[in-house]
Amino acid sequence: GENVEQHPSTLSVQEGDSAVIKCTYSDSASNYFPWYKQELGKGPQLIIDIRSNVGEKKDQRIAVTLNKTAKHFSLHITETQPEDSAVYFCAASDSWGKLQFGAGTQVVVTP
Amino acid sequence: DADVTQTPRNRITKTGKRIMLECSQTKGHDRMYWYRQDPGLGLRLIYYSFDVKDINKGEISDGYSVSRQAQAKFSLSLESAIPNQTALYFCATSDPGLGYNEQFFGPGTRLTVL
Repeated sequence: GENVEQHPSTLSVQEGDSAVIKCTYSDSASNYFPWYKQELGKGPQLIIDIRSNVGEKKDQRIAVTLNKTAKHFSLHITETQPEDSAVYFCAASDSWGKLQFGAGTQVVVTP
Repeated sequence: DADVTQTPRNRITKTGKRIMLECSQTKGHDRMYWYRQDPGLGLRLIYYSFDVKDINKGEISDGYSVSRQAQAKFSLSLESAIPNQTALYFCATSDPGLGYNEQFFGPGTRLTVL
C-alpha cells in the first residue's frame, strides 16, 4: 500500500519568512496530493491540492510542487503570518479516493 | 465544517465499555470515512463507506466496527474499549462526482479510555 513520509515534524519560522514542508510517497499509482491545515480543536481543512498531471500550483501565499519521477511533493508558504501557525498534513490518494496521510508538521510562526 | 458534525465532542470511558461515536453530514456526499489521529502518526483510516450498502476496512480496523444507517449517518463503535484506543477521532465525507477527492472533516471527538 501507499506510504507517505513528511518532514520536518516541527518547523519554527520568523514572521515574514518562508516555510517549506516536504513529503514523499511510495505508490506510483497515486494521482492526487492534497494538503490539509489543522488548527487547534478543529478538523483538518483542505488548503491546496495538486493532481499528477500538474507540476506546480499556486494560491496567493501558498504553492505546491510535485515531482512524479522522484515521488515527492512540497508545500511552500511565503510571507508567513501568525495565523499560519497550525499542523499541516500532506496526503496521497489513488483513483479510489482513499487518502494516506503523512505524520504532520507543526508550524510555529513567531512575531 | 458545520456540514459534518460529530457527537460527542469529548468522551471519557472505562476499559471494557462499549461506546459509539456518531457522524452526520448535510453535504449529500455518498462517501464517508472514520479516521483516528495520534500524535506523530497523522490520520489513519479505520473504516470507509462509498455508499449506504458498502463498508470497507481501513488500515486499523481491529477493535472497531461501523454502521452506515443512511447516506447522512456513519457511526463508529468500540465494542470493548481499551486504553490504547485513546485518541482523536475524525469523520470525513467526499463526493467523487466533484471530479476530485477532497475530503471534508468534522470537528473531531476526543476519546479517553481509562
